[in-house]
Amino acid sequence: GAVVSQHPSRVICKSGTSVKIECRSLDFQATTMFWYRQFPKKSLMLMATSNEGSKATYEQGVEKDKFLINHASLTLSTLTVTSAHPEDSSFYICSAPGQGAVEQYFGPGTRLTVT
Amino acid sequence: AQSVTQLGSHVSVSEGALVLLRCNYSSSVPPYLFWYVQYPNQGLQLLLKYTTGATLVKGINGFEAEFKKSETSFHLTKPSAHMSDAAEYFCAVSRGANNLFFGTGTRLTVIP
Repeated sequence: GAVVSQHPSRVICKSGTSVKIECRSLDFQATTMFWYRQFPKKSLMLMATSNEGSKATYEQGVEKDKFLINHASLTLSTLTVTSAHPEDSSFYICSAPGQGAVEQYFGPGTRLTVT
Repeated sequence: AQSVTQLGSHVSVSEGALVLLRCNYSSSVPPYLFWYVQYPNQGLQLLLKYTTGATLVKGINGFEAEFKKSETSFHLTKPSAHMSDAAEYFCAVSRGANNLFFGTGTRLTVIP
């Protein structure tokens, strides 16, 4: 099946700094990727849809200036958490729809801890 | 509009017992339905999906689910629980690969 990777798997940063998370489709191209946030013991919340060659589409309530998304190529999307604060600590997961598939393929997630 | 309800945030079963995780959905159009499993600190892995055709869907690790339109349900079952089945399970609905709506998840505990 299609494989999606994320880097880093874990990151700890200090409050006020920025952190970049990469999401890559390893064996297929993805013109669209999705970024989710998962709070402890909670479901996944869609943050934004990343579109190659155009601006990301953010869900209601998600600060686009805080969560910067760049879809640099057909296999790479990045999420940058700017001026991170402890409340941004969470598990961030990306996904991509496979070509011709009806399901999304998920990355392994990135655990962000802001101290 | 689409939504998913998973009854029971926690389910405990004995090893070897039947696993039943409940999922009900609402959708204004014929839905695509999914079950995903998540192990601690990992992403989501697709267990099975229903798009069209046979309403009883078989997935990986011995799991299966049945689409019942009249009941708007897509319950996940496994005849005999194994210790390795302990995880978080998410039901999701969509119309295509975009716009996946997840349920709140059910944590399955398997008791030795």
